[in-house]
Amino acid sequence: DADVTQTPRNRITKTGKRIMLECSQTKGHDRMYWYRQDPGLGLRLIYYSFDVKDINKGEISDGYSVSRQAQAKFSLSLESAIPNQTALYFCATSDTGTSGKSYNEQFFGPGTRLTVL
Amino acid sequence: AQSVTQLGSHVSVSEGALVLLRCNYSSSVPPYLFWYVQYPNQGLQLLLKYTSAATLVKGINGFEAEFKKSETSFHLTKPSAHMSDAAEYFCAVSGGSNYKLTFGKGTLLTVNP
Repeated sequence: DADVTQTPRNRITKTGKRIMLECSQTKGHDRMYWYRQDPGLGLRLIYYSFDVKDINKGEISDGYSVSRQAQAKFSLSLESAIPNQTALYFCATSDTGTSGKSYNEQFFGPGTRLTVL
Repeated sequence: AQSVTQLGSHVSVSEGALVLLRCNYSSSVPPYLFWYVQYPNQGLQLLLKYTSAATLVKGINGFEAEFKKSETSFHLTKPSAHMSDAAEYFCAVSGGSNYKLTFGKGTLLTVNP
């Protein structure tokens, strides 16, 4: 069974629609992240969360919001989707580490391919 | 501040040839360095990581990378390419306990028969 799962895997929507991407993990990690991947641009961080009560913006958070419903669940919402949000979205997790020192090795889900028409 | 530069967005090799994917980093603190691989229609999978122990790091599928502080490099190599190595490879840097993992833009590896 996958440790980090994302639903849906593929989604086509129209401009102006609200859409939610969901991420669940069974790794027991405290940190969770949302990235988007665009060809030639690598991965860019949208939001990250260190625990249920801690949510932080990444480098490209405009137009997105998140919710950390539980330690294992982290959702990404597009309130009003626009075509330039067409991308591959990844959820990732990492562990703070037992000594408080984290190498920040991240574990990725399979991705959600979102197309906004 | 930290950044990663991957030289060459596309590398093409013949099956059996040496694979060399280049990564240079910038970090204001001692870095942790990672190579991830992304196969078509899949997520990112960790190939190997440098966490300040041995400078030559061995990973999965026969890949290895060497941390060279003087050159601020962490190049990925494999002695003999296999068709199954065709994928996109990402180098990433993390600055110690810093939360942030900064990725390069990726290098697409093509393996020709």
